[in-house]
Amino acid sequence: ETGVTQSPTHLIKTRGQQVTLRCSSQSGHNTVSWYQQALGQGPQFIFQYYREEENGRGNFPPRFSGLQFPNYSSELNVNALELDDSALYLCASSGVATNTEAFFGQGTRLTVV
Amino acid sequence: AQSVTQPDIHITVSEGASLELRCNYSYGATPYLFWYVQSPGQGLQLLLKYFSGDTLVQGIKGFEAEFKRSQSSFNLRKPSVHWSDAAEYFCAVGTTSGTYKYIFGTGTRLKVLA
Repeated sequence: ETGVTQSPTHLIKTRGQQVTLRCSSQSGHNTVSWYQQALGQGPQFIFQYYREEENGRGNFPPRFSGLQFPNYSSELNVNALELDDSALYLCASSGVATNTEAFFGQGTRLTVV
Repeated sequence: AQSVTQPDIHITVSEGASLELRCNYSYGATPYLFWYVQSPGQGLQLLLKYFSGDTLVQGIKGFEAEFKRSQSSFNLRKPSVHWSDAAEYFCAVGTTSGTYKYIFGTGTRLKVLA
């Protein structure tokens, strides 16, 4: 089991609402990445935070935004929820060097109705 | 374009049989390569990784993978499958230029027959 924890584990939201997902990174890791995994698909990179700044972004619209806090924990915010936002959202923490692996949390299952 | 292809969506094997899951990647530079396993409703657990050096890498749970640069492949193997290996398996490339992120394949779902 990794030291990456995500909350909540499940939630249901209505189309048009806003949602905040949370992630606590593994001790000693200063980089947090978020991924979206739609049903039957592999995870897709949303964005990455390093030292409280966005450090890269995938092909996701601006209504997907994030934060990283001084303790390296992170939030993913999604505004104006759409049905297609229903997915498993995974948080991954890693060190700053590239030759390290990312450790994933258990994910948050978001259902938009 | 950077991509990872897992050509087998589903694979069914009998318990005790050998297993090979295929992974091909398209990446301009030397990639970092990973295999992850995901049980239903769970996050991703790292099975093994390749950064450099010996092209045959050993992982947890008796899995191994071989990096073949000429074939742009990183196939996962296990000599004898256990019923508990039933899960979804993802191959991933770690990008080594720009933002360090993972590009995942679409996964292979493994079913194990008793």
